Amino acid sequence: GAGVSQSPSNKVTEKGKDVELRCDPISGHTALYWYRQSLGQGLEFLIYFQGNSAPDKSGLPSDRFSAERTGGSVSTLTIQRTQQEDSAVYLCASSRGPGRANSPLHFGNGTRLTVT
Amino acid sequence: TQLLEQSPQFLSIQEGENLTVYCNSSSVFSSLQWYRQEPGEGPVLLVTVVTGGEVKKLKRLTFQFGDARKDSSLHITAAQPGDTGLYLCAGGRSGGGADGLTFGKGTHLIIQP
Repeated sequence: GAGVSQSPSNKVTEKGKDVELRCDPISGHTALYWYRQSLGQGLEFLIYFQGNSAPDKSGLPSDRFSAERTGGSVSTLTIQRTQQEDSAVYLCASSRGPGRANSPLHFGNGTRLTVT
Repeated sequence: TQLLEQSPQFLSIQEGENLTVYCNSSSVFSSLQWYRQEPGEGPVLLVTVVTGGEVKKLKRLTFQFGDARKDSSLHITAAQPGDTGLYLCAGGRSGGGADGLTFGKGTHLIIQP
């Protein structure tokens, strides 16, 4: 079946504009994650959705960042009033669910965001 | 916050050489996952180890989970250019939840032909 799909693959935006990043997880995966990857910084956790539970937003760096997951499937990550430090690759991953030891993450290819 | 330290951060070697990269923590994990990421793509799972002292082999790659489940190593025999990539380890805690998985910063590996 299809893997995790992210769009757009690249996004260039001007400072101050809002952007929306989309993630289509693997069908049947109840858990969905957003990570940010900057050069030399590794994977930075942003937000986690599990089924119908309230999302874990503890990784969102500021209130300019928000995410939603509609119908337990597609997710959008929104960044308002973008800043240059928001430039990074935003990765989405899904997994079958909690029980992390045996639920590996399946990543999309990411959206490379460049804020000019 | 549980930290996973990966070393070396960068490694460039010639094709055919052997290498080992490390993933260390002061915390105990219930599992340890290794991923490889190639440019322009997302990380792809290589292996999951869950038992202290466990050794898993994937062709020329050998993964080991420390007896105390605080550290892990990845050994590559006779490295090939196709092994080039960013190797990430991720430690998992039982009970799930997003903060139950901690990623290291990765080892950038370049295998020169």
